[in-house]
Amino acid sequence: QQPVQSPQAVILREGEDAVINCSSSKALYSVHWYRQKHGEAPVFLMILLKGGEQKGHEKISASFNEKKQQSSLYLTASQLSYSGTYFCGTEGKTGRRALTFGSGTRLQVQP
Amino acid sequence: ETGVTQSPTHLIKTRGQQVTLRCSSQSGHNTVSWYQQALGQGPQFIFQYYREEENGRGNFPPRFSGLQFPNYSSELNVNALELDDSALYLCASSFSGVKNTGELFFGEGSRLTVL
Repeated sequence: QQPVQSPQAVILREGEDAVINCSSSKALYSVHWYRQKHGEAPVFLMILLKGGEQKGHEKISASFNEKKQQSSLYLTASQLSYSGTYFCGTEGKTGRRALTFGSGTRLQVQP
Repeated sequence: ETGVTQSPTHLIKTRGQQVTLRCSSQSGHNTVSWYQQALGQGPQFIFQYYREEENGRGNFPPRFSGLQFPNYSSELNVNALELDDSALYLCASSFSGVKNTGELFFGEGSRLTVL
């Protein structure tokens, strides 16, 4: 079942912060975050593993609540380059990186 | 740029035809996954290939099939095209093994339009 992302869209001014949420009804092995700019490939941002391990970019942080099957992506001091659509991808217990993606959150950062 | 290349970038087919999409994975990667992305939606997992065998499949009918070659490149074949098959098809390569970072490297996709 597809994870639910919120909000669906957000508009920020440069320097503002944003939080994007991802919620699943299934038990999760990991949560992945990707950003896709219009007409481009999705780009990896972060992976959060069951047990607390995180791998990703230094300027972006995220949390993973295993009990609630929820993850949040924190974008601080946003830059124009942060604009794009953010997808969370959830992985069950297969460990095969067969991700189930949400519908995405469209983020627009304005000057 | 990820080093994952897909071809063709755009193509138009008519209902009932067959299509083959190709993907060259990033150097050093041994696993290829295919995703379908409809307009305004997130990517949907079609299947994954590892060591030339299908290693997992999403909720797609058998008319979606694939191959992985010894050099780890891959093909996605879709038979009996339907209008709903119109989408961006994304290939993602990764490394499965001890040094697995979990990251998927996506290509820019093949945009398929079915008329």
